[in-house]
Amino acid sequence: AQSVTQLDSQVPVFEEAPVELRCNYSSSVSVYLFWYVQYPNQGLQLLLKYLSGSTLVKGINGFEAEFNKSQTSFHLRKPSVHISDTAEYFCAVIGETSYDKVIFGPGTSLSVIP
Amino acid sequence: SAVISQKPSRDICQRGTSLTIQCQVDSQVTMMFWYRQQPGQSLTLIATANQGSEATYESGFVIDKFPISRPNLTFSTLTVSNMSPEDSSIYLCSVSTGPANYGYTFGSGTRLTVV
Repeated sequence: AQSVTQLDSQVPVFEEAPVELRCNYSSSVSVYLFWYVQYPNQGLQLLLKYLSGSTLVKGINGFEAEFNKSQTSFHLRKPSVHISDTAEYFCAVIGETSYDKVIFGPGTSLSVIP
Repeated sequence: SAVISQKPSRDICQRGTSLTIQCQVDSQVTMMFWYRQQPGQSLTLIATANQGSEATYESGFVIDKFPISRPNLTFSTLTVSNMSPEDSSIYLCSVSTGPANYGYTFGSGTRLTVV
């Protein structure tokens, strides 16, 4: 079984500052990793995903994430945030052997301060 | 990726009543998933709905409380039965139109408040 930890439940950051949202996972098998964003009163939107290959993954809206197998982490970063990035961010995993089970982390609420 | 239409977008219901949430996809998909997001929390999978078979429920969720229909490859419903205030949540449907590891598309959710 897999599990996901997002250590920061809330992250306030000033506009145009960089941000890192942390995600760690636990799994006995190889995993596929995802970041989703949920804007207020909306559903989830896929930001980026790691399946294999290069450990640095680029997504939409200027976000990127780096897969670190030894540290079992998949932290999300953006060099300069905008007010419009204010949202809830969820890290998620799918085990290689359990394609139909997406395990979500508890989420990180990013608040961008003008 | 698929486009999902979910309705209603929100509702306020009396305790003891039932609400049926609809999920329509613009393409045929094998599996559809229903999630619950309780206030301030992450998503929890309720069940997986395959066309032509009974839904598969996760631990803690039962068919009597959350009956699911899947009449065809583009549509599914989730009913929240005999509601109590604890059922106040956002309910989301989700599909994958490619290999599962390609990620999932989510509907915009149904925000349910039970009073």
